[in-house]
Amino acid sequence: DGGITQSPKYLFRKEGQNVTLSCEQNLNHDAMYWYRQDPGQGLRLIYYSQIVNDFQKGDIAEGYSVSREKKESFPLTVTSAQKNPTAFYLCASSIGRGEAFFGQGTRLTVV
Amino acid sequence: AQSVTQPDIHITVSEGASLELRCNYSYGATPYLFWYVQSPGQGLQLLLKYFSGDTLVQGIKGFEAEFKRSQSSFNLRKPSVHWSDAAEYFCAVGRDDKIIFGKGTRLHILP
Repeated sequence: DGGITQSPKYLFRKEGQNVTLSCEQNLNHDAMYWYRQDPGQGLRLIYYSQIVNDFQKGDIAEGYSVSREKKESFPLTVTSAQKNPTAFYLCASSIGRGEAFFGQGTRLTVV
Repeated sequence: AQSVTQPDIHITVSEGASLELRCNYSYGATPYLFWYVQSPGQGLQLLLKYFSGDTLVQGIKGFEAEFKRSQSSFNLRKPSVHWSDAAEYFCAVGRDDKIIFGKGTRLHILP
């Protein structure tokens, strides 16, 4: 089955640690996205990538980093510079600006 | 600048009543428009999309939406809601090379 897989489903981070969220797709989509979701804030765009080895900052990129070494993979690193990382993170892929297909999300909690 | 506005944060309707969720967008060119639904702790599922052509589009689960260029709107409707429709609904715009989401409308259903 084609789709997007995010892992892990739940992630706990200690203060000062970097953590990496995984996102893999087998839909052969060129575009991939990371969104952060907080209650009442909707989905805010962190980073997006249209092609391999290229990515752009979204609206809230500070404290996050990404890589796009393979078409299928777009991991997100939440760095220690992100002061309020507790949130629900959603990865998506699309063909251009067409419909986005979403993973099931990763819930990150700072402990 | 905000590209997608969902003016209603919460809406409550009785089961069997009709529903309309509002969405306004700001984008100079013809946008790609979407409505998604999200159950708690889950990813987003596409309800329907508009790219061009007929301005009234049909989606899954009995939903429809109408694109009105003059009003920059893409409102979601359902003639009779079911308790299982209780969820959060997001309007989105595909613009330039990314997809931007509104802040969402949480739908509550009264028995």
